[in-house]
Amino acid sequence: QVQLKESGPGLVKPSETLSLICTVSGFSLTSYHVSWVRQPPGKGLEWMGVKWGDGSTAYNSALKSRLSISRDTAKSPVFLKMSSLKTEDTATHYCARGFLYITEYYFDYWGQGVMVTVSS
Amino acid sequence: DTVLTQSPALAVSPGERITISCRASENVNTGMHWYQQKPGQQPKLLIYGASNLESGVPARFSGSGSGTDFTLTIDPVEADDIATYFCQQSWNDPFTFGSGTKLEIK
Repeated sequence: QVQLKESGPGLVKPSETLSLICTVSGFSLTSYHVSWVRQPPGKGLEWMGVKWGDGSTAYNSALKSRLSISRDTAKSPVFLKMSSLKTEDTATHYCARGFLYITEYYFDYWGQGVMVTVSS
Repeated sequence: DTVLTQSPALAVSPGERITISCRASENVNTGMHWYQQKPGQQPKLLIYGASNLESGVPARFSGSGSGTDFTLTIDPVEADDIATYFCQQSWNDPFTFGSGTKLEIK
């Protein structure tokens, strides 16, 4: 059974660094990809970046200078770190399994999300 | 970035046939996917590759389109379909989502 679960602090101060963990089960991180997607309260979804199965990473250029997505091994959690947080970074953060079908890439399983508030 | 434009809201009655549109600012081929999000829940994949029904999703849902214009159809609408529907493109970098169409009961 495929499952993803996000964990991390609910409150972070402006200018600090956010660290989130995505714990997965039911699939291999070398065969599938894990993306982070965020959603500000009452707003739409924003793709942040992806850890590909081969270990490489791609980021949304709008966040690239502040974002890092990593994992240690094929079985470990996937980590997100985002620095220099601003109040507008307040959002629910999801990790989602990505499926690449020829040239089409979509998210077939999602975690329940973790709400992160950036406030002093 | 590729901007995906959706109508913000749609009022429907159970039993109706409805279409939700998504227009891309540039060609995305068939790299368009649809998600349903109910309040307080994570998004759920409905349609991938513009027209392919995800396993386990009722056949009441269907998708069509290519290039820049796409449609999600629900026929017939049921009360449980009340949610926000997002389109997402994967043809251009970065992946982007539409702002969502909220389905409401008349």
